[in-house]
Amino acid sequence: AQSVAQPEDQVNVAEGNPLTVKCTYSVSGNPYLFWYVQYPNRGLQFLLKYITGDNLVKGSYGFEAEFNKSQTSFHLKKPSALVSDSALYFCAVRDGWGGGNDMRFGAGTRLTVKP
Amino acid sequence: EPEVTQTPSHQVTQMGQEVILRCVPISNHLYFYWYRQILGQKVEFLVSFYNNEISEKSEIFDDQFSVERPDGSNFTLKIRSTKLEDSAMYFCASTGTSSSYNEQFFGPGTRLTVL
Repeated sequence: AQSVAQPEDQVNVAEGNPLTVKCTYSVSGNPYLFWYVQYPNRGLQFLLKYITGDNLVKGSYGFEAEFNKSQTSFHLKKPSALVSDSALYFCAVRDGWGGGNDMRFGAGTRLTVKP
Repeated sequence: EPEVTQTPSHQVTQMGQEVILRCVPISNHLYFYWYRQILGQKVEFLVSFYNNEISEKSEIFDDQFSVERPDGSNFTLKIRSTKLEDSAMYFCASTGTSSSYNEQFFGPGTRLTVL
C-alpha cells in the first residue's frame, strides 16, 4: 500500500527566502505525487503533481517540486517565500499501477512565512 | 471557478445519533470521494463513488457509514450511530475522470463534533 511521510510539522521562513517542504513516499508501483495547500476554513487546493516526465514540476503560485526516485522524495519548493504562502501543505501519493482511486496523504506541514 | 461545497461547516451531535454530511460536487464531475481528518492527524481516505455505487472503501468505512447520491447534485455521507472517535473534519472531493493521475477537487470540509 502507498504511504507518504512529511517529516516536519512546522516550517518557518522569512519572507523573500527560499522555502522547502519535505515529502517522502512509498509505493509498490509507479508513484503519482501531488501537493495540496489548505488555507484556514478552506478545502484542500491543488498545487502541482508529478506523473511522469521531467523531475522538476512547476505549479500554482510559483511553487515547484522535484521528484527524486532514488530518494523517494517529492519536496515542495519556492525560490522566494511570501507571507501569503503561510498555510498547511499536504503531500499525497497514488499508486499508478492499479492503485485505485484513493489518495494517501501525509500529516501536513504548517508553513509560516514571517515578514 | 467551479468549486465543491459542503454543508454544514460545523455539526455537533450526541453520541449514538445519526448525522448526514452534505456535499455538492463540481457539476460535470463523475467521481466522488469522502476523506476525514482527525484533529492533528493525516487526511484519510474513506470511500469513492461512481455511477451510483461505491467503487472503493477503506477499512475505516464500516457498516456505520453509508454514502448516497440522492439527486443530480448532492453527495451525502451518513453516519448511523456516531461515536466519540468519529469527531473529525470530513472532506468531500470530486474529479471528472477516474484516472489516477488526475487531481481531486476538495470542499472546505465539515467539522463533526460528537459529544
